[in-house]
Amino acid sequence: QQQVKQSPQSLIVQKGGISIINCAYENTAFDYFPWYQQFPGKGPALLIAIRPDVSEKKEGRFTISFNKSAKQFSLHIMDSQPGDSATYFCAASNPLYNFNKFYFGSGTKLNVKP
Amino acid sequence: GAGVSQTPSNKVTEKGKYVELRCDPISGHTALYWYRQSLGQGPEFLIYFQGTGAADDSGLPNDRFFAVRPEGSVSTLKIQRTERGDSAVYLCASSLAGPSSMNEQFFGPGTRLTVL
Repeated sequence: QQQVKQSPQSLIVQKGGISIINCAYENTAFDYFPWYQQFPGKGPALLIAIRPDVSEKKEGRFTISFNKSAKQFSLHIMDSQPGDSATYFCAASNPLYNFNKFYFGSGTKLNVKP
Repeated sequence: GAGVSQTPSNKVTEKGKYVELRCDPISGHTALYWYRQSLGQGPEFLIYFQGTGAADDSGLPNDRFFAVRPEGSVSTLKIQRTERGDSAVYLCASSLAGPSSMNEQFFGPGTRLTVL
């Protein structure tokens, strides 16, 4: 049973376009939602994260939109660049644990065409 | 400063063999995590250490998997009687201690394990 569902599996965007990746979850106890970026042969690296008390968080070209009632959150990459080509994972963690026990989505492979 | 390092980067073994995977966390990070990442999937939690003790090992798939962190720094993931289904990238991450969700986990590059 997958706790966090991510779509699409892959995404092709032209340079300068907007990349949108979506995630949905079922466990209403989740209270921390990070996005990770992973390049081939590297470990995931934290990109941006949000807590459910806000509906949007923006850092540079990256924005998380959060819809608590729908139990969905999404990553928007504005002005996508070829250097953004990577695999993106959403995740969620449960405060019942005293550490970040992350449940990851299955990943979205983004390809930004020059 | 140095990030999380993992050795070896690649490990090929035969079915039934024993393997050890090593993780060197960032200095000063008392929390350490192991994950398994199968092809085309997100990382899957295996075990969490706070200091020397395994605070949560609920993600270990079965008793062939075991991890230690005897001095609260380096950790070793041990897999006995390896099976082809164990083939995956094993990721290690470390973070500062404490329950705060804002303690970022820093991931190593992983060890790619292939069981023939």
